[in-house]
Amino acid sequence: NAGVMQNPRHLVRRRGQEARLRCSPMKGHSHVYWYRQLPEEGLKFMVYLQKENIIDESGMPKERFSAEFPKEGPSILRIQQVVRGDSAAYFCASSSGAANTEAFFGQGTRLTVV
Amino acid sequence: QKEVEQNSGPLSVPEGAIASLNCTYSDRGSQSFFWYRQYSGKSPELIMFIYSNGDKEDGRFTAQLNKASQYVSLLIRDSQPSDSATYLCAVKRGSSNTGKLIFGQGTTLQVKP
Repeated sequence: NAGVMQNPRHLVRRRGQEARLRCSPMKGHSHVYWYRQLPEEGLKFMVYLQKENIIDESGMPKERFSAEFPKEGPSILRIQQVVRGDSAAYFCASSSGAANTEAFFGQGTRLTVV
Repeated sequence: QKEVEQNSGPLSVPEGAIASLNCTYSDRGSQSFFWYRQYSGKSPELIMFIYSNGDKEDGRFTAQLNKASQYVSLLIRDSQPSDSATYLCAVKRGSSNTGKLIFGQGTTLQVKP
């Protein structure tokens, strides 16, 4: 959905570098979710955030990965010291947070680690 | 056992036929069910959502939910080549508003002209 904006669309990083992925939710949405999709696999939940709070990070790897959603600005998914296994499509989705409402996805960031 | 299971396919149907896509889930507390379509290299696009047992129709699409059997399906009538894509079943757990979706691995649909 064009309303959820992710950038960059494509990101190439060398092993050991940091990757920063940005997500601006749809207007009026204060709930952001990050998912990762490895090649030929389904989407895997990583983290759920509301403004200034991490609500559920049960899908986040314990090391190197972090996420934030500050009071002002986009949500950031940060991957430190990237490895080749981090190469994937990272999708952000947003919702209003109300019960039984759907989430809309951004176009994703394709991360390639070389 | 995976939390949400789909046959990866590919499911191949001729143009104009009915395509039937199936999904089972393991968490009986699941309350909301979603079907997303994903074209290769693109983001998931919501097609339908269903919360109550029974059928829900929207144009050529019908979602069917059977909570007793923990089964949800998507029927696509009058299939078109443009329907060729991967269809992702997603489940939202429980009655909380956490919003986390659990996805199946997707079923690839091929509609042959």
